[in-house]
Amino acid sequence: GQSLEQPSEVTAVEGAIVQINCTYQTSGFYGLSWYQQHDGGAPTFLSYNGLDGLEETGRFSSFLSRSDSYGYLLLQELQMKDSASYFCAVRDSNYQLIWGAGTKLIIKP
Amino acid sequence: DAGVIQSPRHEVTEMGQEVTLRCKPISGHDYLFWYRQTMMRGLELLIYFNNNVPIDDSGMPEDRFSAKMPNASFSTLKIQPSEPRDSAVYFCASSSRGHPLLGYTFGSGTRLTVV
Repeated sequence: GQSLEQPSEVTAVEGAIVQINCTYQTSGFYGLSWYQQHDGGAPTFLSYNGLDGLEETGRFSSFLSRSDSYGYLLLQELQMKDSASYFCAVRDSNYQLIWGAGTKLIIKP
Repeated sequence: DAGVIQSPRHEVTEMGQEVTLRCKPISGHDYLFWYRQTMMRGLELLIYFNNNVPIDDSGMPEDRFSAKMPNASFSTLKIQPSEPRDSAVYFCASSSRGHPLLGYTFGSGTRLTVV
């Protein structure tokens, strides 16, 4: 079967750094994406990793290791507005996204 | 671009009634997806289209659900008859295969409540 594993909840302090891990087992792999969803909102695209390594976009970075079937999202200088759910998703051979269950990030002052 | 536009934003209907959800994708996007999200089941892909053609509808729960895409700028998801267990947020998303780095763009969703 196809599955993505990510923690259900992560708690961090404002101003700190937090890492959200994602491991995957899929029949095909054409990239790992991360999405952010605030309560009551729609998922919004954050990043895409097609090759191994680190991609940086401002305070957010995403990493991929295809040999380990593993990736992570790194959020730096956490702000209260970063409180949201974060989803990892793998693109399979049919151009569909296989989604993780999401990680709820709770940020404390 | 105005993004992916969904209507209505909220829909409350009685069990047994027909419900139609609408979606206008981003111009130039060749893929359109319908998702359903609930607390219990998370994000579920219902059906997706490529160039207006349905490619995979294996996620459609049952025959009460149907989706159409008559042209590149419009799609509908219909539930007939609706049941309380259909209550969820329904998202439409579009993307361009030629631009994977841009990901999917989701609409604001339709929150459906069936009473």
